[in-house]
Amino acid sequence: NAGVIQTPRHKVTGKGQEATLWCEPISGHSAVFWYRQTIVQGLEFLTYFRNQAPIDDSGMPKERFSAQMPNQSHSTLKIQSTQPQDSAVYLCASSQAGNTEVFFGKGTRLTVV
Amino acid sequence: GDSVTQTEGQVALSEEDFLTIHCNYSASGYPALFWYVQYPGEGPQFLFRASRDKEKGSSRGFEATYDKGTTSFHLRKASVQESDSAVYYCALGEVGYKLTFGTGTSLLVDP
Repeated sequence: NAGVIQTPRHKVTGKGQEATLWCEPISGHSAVFWYRQTIVQGLEFLTYFRNQAPIDDSGMPKERFSAQMPNQSHSTLKIQSTQPQDSAVYLCASSQAGNTEVFFGKGTRLTVV
Repeated sequence: GDSVTQTEGQVALSEEDFLTIHCNYSASGYPALFWYVQYPGEGPQFLFRASRDKEKGSSRGFEATYDKGTTSFHLRKASVQESDSAVYYCALGEVGYKLTFGTGTSLLVDP
């Protein structure tokens, strides 16, 4: 069990460019979450999928952020027209249905210059 | 909305000291309460949870008791080790659903 795999681990983009972050949840886990971590805001919930269906995207900035889960083995978080304030560590997590324990990946550190 | 308050931003202790990290919450419902630990370069790791009043959660020598009366879930450990140095997060939420995290407490233990 390799855990939740996130790629790339680090990404640098220029202001205005697009960034796509990838997540491979633990096999058999039906719930997938995306969180953002910054020094100022801490850990913030972004969005949640269950059995690949979007359930709650209440934490997503509406205009430039989108998340998809095209199959049970991966999810993507796309940020269009990146801005310096998007710089953060983006964390993907997964869990079995109804299970207490949520497993986090190591995160992708996004730096917008 | 729901929120979690951790009053200590940083805690510095020596090995074998007693640890307390305070966590208070505000929620409209009856949430589950969690403690997570994060090491450098890693994502948060689940430590334990409690789901009802007076329930105690514990793991690796750490423990906390759900107290609905004082809306608290304080983390305690009787004797810390250098390897316990990490950032600790209190969180609330529904089991298997999104979590609301506190701001985290950085614990540094001197050998």
